[in-house]
Amino acid sequence: GAGVSQSPSNKVTEKGKDVELRCDPISGHTALYWYRQRLGQGLEFLIYFQGNSAPDKSGLPSDRFSAERTGESVSTLTIQRTQQEDSAVYLCASSKVETSGTSDEQFFGPGTRLTVL
Amino acid sequence: AQSVAQPEDQVNVAEGNPLTVKCTYSVSGNPYLFWYVQYPNRGLQFLLKYITGDNLVKGSYGFEAEFNKSQTSFHLKKPSALVSDSALYFCVERGSYIPTFGRGTSLIVHP
Repeated sequence: GAGVSQSPSNKVTEKGKDVELRCDPISGHTALYWYRQRLGQGLEFLIYFQGNSAPDKSGLPSDRFSAERTGESVSTLTIQRTQQEDSAVYLCASSKVETSGTSDEQFFGPGTRLTVL
Repeated sequence: AQSVAQPEDQVNVAEGNPLTVKCTYSVSGNPYLFWYVQYPNRGLQFLLKYITGDNLVKGSYGFEAEFNKSQTSFHLKKPSALVSDSALYFCVERGSYIPTFGRGTSLIVHP
């Protein structure tokens, strides 16, 4: 079956421009996560969706970052007025219904590599 | 607070030799522990998980991990390394809906 897909795979933009990154989770997965991975580093949690609501936005680095999810499916991560420090790979993951202390593994997309010039 | 430590940034091993990638955790309650692998320019792939039961967990690609409660460790192992195992490995704790990732260990298997 289809896995998690993300688009675009690569995005080069100029400083100050807005970008929109898309994630298509596995069908039926109600939990969706966004992460940021800077070059040579681990994963930085950004935001978590349960269905269409985001109970935890604590990882968003600034108010330039926002995310939404519709129809318990596609999610978009928007970065406004991009800065060079936003350059990173943005990873999306989905999993089955979340409960506190869940044991369900996450399925990751291939990521979007964002380069801000 | 939950935390996961991967004390080695890089592990080097010769092909055919056994490999170990270390992970220790600090959580309250019972831990839910996972290993993921990230190949170059790819997303993360699930390898194995420990939830409860047998302390030795077997996973994909011949990998296994041993849960040791007294040492609060969950080291990843493989009896015979392959060059194709060269990748970045992440230990993860899922005690809440926000996973806690280790910083990752780069495994390099030399021919």
